[in-house]
Amino acid sequence: AQSVSQHNHHVILSEAASLELGCNYSYGGTVNLFWYVQYPGQHLQLLLKYFSGDPLVKGIKGFEAEFIKSKFSFNLRKPSVQWSDTAEYFCAVSSGGYQKVTFGTGTKLQVIP
Amino acid sequence: GAVVSQHPSRVICKSGTSVKIECRSLDFQATTMFWYRQFPKQSLMLMATSNEGSKATYEQGVEKDKFLINHASLTLSTLTVTSAHPEDSSFYICSAWGNSGGRSTDTQYFGPGTRLTVL
Repeated sequence: AQSVSQHNHHVILSEAASLELGCNYSYGGTVNLFWYVQYPGQHLQLLLKYFSGDPLVKGIKGFEAEFIKSKFSFNLRKPSVQWSDTAEYFCAVSSGGYQKVTFGTGTKLQVIP
Repeated sequence: GAVVSQHPSRVICKSGTSVKIECRSLDFQATTMFWYRQFPKQSLMLMATSNEGSKATYEQGVEKDKFLINHASLTLSTLTVTSAHPEDSSFYICSAWGNSGGRSTDTQYFGPGTRLTVL
């Protein structure tokens, strides 16, 4: 069975600070990896995804994530956060297209102006 | 882009009644939909996988007779919470994979969720 761990439950940063949110997964086969964001009062939106190819994936709003297979990690990064990045971030994994997606517990990011 | 809608967005019901939640894919056909529930300050927990024209597949620990899923068309899946109790109060979210413009999508799109409160 697949599982996802997000070690940072609540992160507080000042604007312009750099961000890195950790994500580790557990699954023996080929994985598809995702980061989703949920802004206050809104539904989940896809930030970026990794299926294959370049392990450094660039997403929307300046976010990127790096897939490191040897570490079973898919950490999310942004060089300079903005107040509008305040949201909850979920890492997720699936075993392939159309397959069920397993979510991590989420990381709540609070950016202070 | 692909859009998934849910109706209603919020429902309050009495204990013992049944509640139906609809999930629709608005601009693409969804052969597979998923139903999740999210408790406060927790992550999404997959309840079941809904496949058009066949029986849903439930995750371990989810009562299929309590959470009835019907995926009767390529754009609609429904979740019915039967004989609801206060412990069923939660945020229910659906998502969909499918075909968009004849090409398979590789992303799950999520509905806005339905807040169920059972009194």
